[in-house]
Amino acid sequence: NAGVIQTPRHKVTGKGQEATLWCEPISGHSAVFWYRQTIVQGLEFLTYFRNQAPIDDSGMPKERFSAQMPNQSHSTLKIQSTQPQDSAVYLCASSYRENTEVFFGKGTRLTVV
Amino acid sequence: TQTVSQSDAHVTVFEGDSVELRCNYSYGGSIYLSWYIQHHGHGLQFLLKYYSGNPVVQGVNGFEAEFSKSDSSFHLRKASVHWSDSAVYFCAVSGYNKLTFGKGTVLLVSP
Repeated sequence: NAGVIQTPRHKVTGKGQEATLWCEPISGHSAVFWYRQTIVQGLEFLTYFRNQAPIDDSGMPKERFSAQMPNQSHSTLKIQSTQPQDSAVYLCASSYRENTEVFFGKGTRLTVV
Repeated sequence: TQTVSQSDAHVTVFEGDSVELRCNYSYGGSIYLSWYIQHHGHGLQFLLKYYSGNPVVQGVNGFEAEFSKSDSSFHLRKASVHWSDSAVYFCAVSGYNKLTFGKGTVLLVSP
């Protein structure tokens, strides 16, 4: 079990460019989450899938951010027209089902210059 | 709405001391509480959880936490800390699905 895998580990984009972050959840886990971590805001929930279906995207900025889970083995978080304030560590996590241990990936550090 | 409050931003202790990291929550329904540890430059690692049953739960590396419904608390404790316990500790609450995290407590263990 390699755990939750996130790629790339680091990404630098220019202001206005698009960034796509990838996540491979643990095999057999039905719940997949995306979080964002910054010094100022801490850990912020972004969005959540259950069995690949989007369940709750209440934390997603309405413009420029989108997340998909085309199959059970990967999810993507796409940020269009990146801005400096998007710079953060983006964490993907998965769990077997709700209210069970949530396993986090090592994160993707996005820097927008 | 679920909220988590970790009242201590920083805690400094000496190696071998006991420590308690405080966590208070607010949520109206059935609750799932957990603690995570994050070492500098690393991801979040699960420490322990409470969902029901014995309010004192044991975790990895000698950590334990006690759930109190009357105090709306889920404090984390360790009897004797090691320098390697220096990290940021996050308390989290979940009603059914997503975790809501506190701001974290930085634990520094001095030799």
